[in-house]
Amino acid sequence: EAGVVQSPRYKIIEKKQPVAFWCNPISGHNTLYWYRQNLGQGPELLIRYENEEAVDDSQLPKDRFSAERLKGVDSTLKIQPAELGDSAVYLCASSLNQEKQFFGPGTRLTVL
Amino acid sequence: DQQVKQNSPSLSVQEGRISILNCDYTNSMFDYFLWYKKYPAEGPTFLISISSIKDKNEDGRFTVFLNKSAKHLSLHIVPSQPGDSAVYFCAASAAGTASKLTFGTGTRLQVTL
Repeated sequence: EAGVVQSPRYKIIEKKQPVAFWCNPISGHNTLYWYRQNLGQGPELLIRYENEEAVDDSQLPKDRFSAERLKGVDSTLKIQPAELGDSAVYLCASSLNQEKQFFGPGTRLTVL
Repeated sequence: DQQVKQNSPSLSVQEGRISILNCDYTNSMFDYFLWYKKYPAEGPTFLISISSIKDKNEDGRFTVFLNKSAKHLSLHIVPSQPGDSAVYFCAASAAGTASKLTFGTGTRLQVTL
């Protein structure tokens, strides 16, 4: 069974530039999560989707971050414009209903 | 405020001995707890979980103990193997499911030969 796929794996951009991350969840998983993990910290939830509906986006900085999950499958997380403090690993996870989450390898973002 | 705390950033254990990783939480609404393991350049992988209605859950070499009165849980790995070397994250949920997780900061376990 294929796991959660994320791309790109690494991204380096200059501040004020836009950036987008893509996630393909495990087939059949209706719940999708985006997390941010800062160095030396645990993952922090940014947004959770149930199918195509964002059911928890309370931790998403909506002034610069946006996300979408088209047709309840793939998802994209965007930052525009990026700031130095956005440097982190962005993790996508998926689950079937509210069971255990399976994580992708993450995208390491460096903002210069 | 850190609702899930892993106060030991690192732990070194000899192969074959027991590894004990600790986790404390402050939110009394948490009722479901999980441990994830993370290798470098990979995402966290689920290891074991426990519901608040239990005080112990065992899966092979891994056992999680929950002390609700102390708001403390621990992960025991017996015997420890070199492949267990990784960062271990404790996570908690107040929803009775694995849907909304609050993670600790992780403990890096090194199992030496």
